Amino acid sequence: EVQLVQSGAEVTEPGESLRISCKTSGYTFSNHWIGWVRQLPGKGLEWVGIIDPGDSETRYSPSFQGRVTISADKSISTAYLHLSSLKASDTAIYYCARQDSVLMVIDYWGQGTLVTVSS
Amino acid sequence: QIVLTQSPSASASLGASVKLTCTLNSDYSFFAIAWHQQQPEKGPRFLMRVNADGRHTKGDGIPARFSGSSSGAERHLTISSLQSEDEADYYCQTWGTGLWVFGGGTKLTVL
Repeated sequence: EVQLVQSGAEVTEPGESLRISCKTSGYTFSNHWIGWVRQLPGKGLEWVGIIDPGDSETRYSPSFQGRVTISADKSISTAYLHLSSLKASDTAIYYCARQDSVLMVIDYWGQGTLVTVSS
Repeated sequence: QIVLTQSPSASASLGASVKLTCTLNSDYSFFAIAWHQQQPEKGPRFLMRVNADGRHTKGDGIPARFSGSSSGAERHLTISSLQSEDEADYYCQTWGTGLWVFGGGTKLTVL
C-alpha cells in the first residue's frame, strides 16, 4: 500500500525557517516524482515545487522560487520542504503528493501539515 | 503557459447526477488532466486521470458512479447517484515539463 506520511503541525514566528517531511512507503521511492502543494486558509491548491528523488533534480514555481528548498533522502524514502523567511501570509496547509511515472498525474497525497506563522 | 478553468460552484440534488468541467487553454487542448476531490476538513484524494480521447483511469477504490469524459479542450467529471459525502471541492490538475498546474476548484453542493 502506497503511503505518504507527513510530519506534524508547526507553529513558528515571522522570519524563521522550518522543514516539513514526507515519509513514503509501499513503492520504489526513486521511481516517482514528489511535489509539494500549498493551500491557504479557505483557498485552492497552489503548486510549490517538485523533485525527482532519483537524481534530486528540482523545479520550483516562480511564486516560491528563492524561499523554498525541496530535497530528498533516498536512504529513508523521505522528501522534505524547507521554508525560509516565513511570513504570516505563509500560514497554510502544505501537502506532499506523488506523481505516478506512468500515468503522469498526482495519484497519492500526504495528509497535510499545518504551518502557522505568528508572532 | 497552461491554464485550467473551472466554474467556482455547482449544485445538484441527492441521487441526481452532476457534470463538472475543466477547460484547458487552446494551446494545450490535447493534454490529459487529473481530477481530485477534497472533502471538508480533509486532504485531497486522486479520483481519476482523463485523456483527450475521453478514456479515464481511476484511482484505488473510486466508485463506479464517478466517470470521466472529454470534448475538445474540456475534461469532464460526472458523478451519478449523488450522495451527501460527494459534497466537496473538486480540482483538476495537469502537468507540463516539470511543473504542476491546478484549476481554481469547483465547490459542489448536494441539495
